[in-house]
Amino acid sequence: KQEVTQIPAALSVPEGENLVLNCSFTDSAIYNLQWFRQDPGKGLTSLLLIQSSQREQTSGRLNASLDKSSGRSTLYIAASQPGDSATYLCAADSGSARQLTFGSGTQLTVLP
Amino acid sequence: NAGVTQTPKFQVLKTGQSMTLQCAQDMNHNSMYWYRQDPGMGLRLIYYSASEGTTDKGEVPNGYNVSRLNKREFSLRLESAAPSQTSVYFCASSDHRDRAYNEQFFGPGTRLTVL
Repeated sequence: KQEVTQIPAALSVPEGENLVLNCSFTDSAIYNLQWFRQDPGKGLTSLLLIQSSQREQTSGRLNASLDKSSGRSTLYIAASQPGDSATYLCAADSGSARQLTFGSGTQLTVLP
Repeated sequence: NAGVTQTPKFQVLKTGQSMTLQCAQDMNHNSMYWYRQDPGMGLRLIYYSASEGTTDKGEVPNGYNVSRLNKREFSLRLESAAPSQTSVYFCASSDHRDRAYNEQFFGPGTRLTVL
C-alpha cells in the first residue's frame, strides 16, 4: 500500500526566501505525482503534475522534481511572498485503482 | 466555465439522518471522485467513477453510496449519518485515460458535521 509523507508539517520563512518542501512515497511504481495548494477553508488547487517519466516540471516561481528511485519529490518555491502562505499537499497516483494517495501537507507561512 | 461545483457548502446533521452531497463538472471529464479530508489523515478516496455508468470503492467506502447520474454529475449519499462521518468532503474530476497525464481538479468542498 502506497504511503506518502510530508515533512515538516509546518514551516515559517521570511518574505523573499527560497524554500523547498519535501514529499516521500513508499511505492516507486507511480504514474504521476501532483502538488496542490490549499488555502484555509478552500478546495485544492492543482499546481504541478510530474509524469513518472519526467524529472521535473516548472510553473512560474515553482519547480517540482521527482526521483522515483529514492521515492522523493520536492517543490521549490523561489522568492517567496506572503501570498504563498497556504498548505501544500503532494499526492501520488499509483496502484490498480484510480486514486491519489495524499500526504498530510506542509503548512507554509511567509512573513512580510 | 465553473469547473467542479459542490452543494451544499455546509451541512449539520443529527445521527441517523440521511443526505446526498451533489457534485457536477463542466469540463467534459470522464472520471470523477469523492474524497474526505480529516485532520492528520490527509485526503482519502471514498468512491470513484472511471467513466459514466461505472463506480468503484476507494479506501474508505463504508457508510456511503454513490450514483453517477450522467457524465457531469456524481453524488455521494450518507444513508444513516454517524459522528465519524464528520469531515470535509471533496469531489474531483479528471479526463486522461493515460494515467501519467491524469491531473485531478477539485471542487470547493462540503463541510459536514454530524451531531
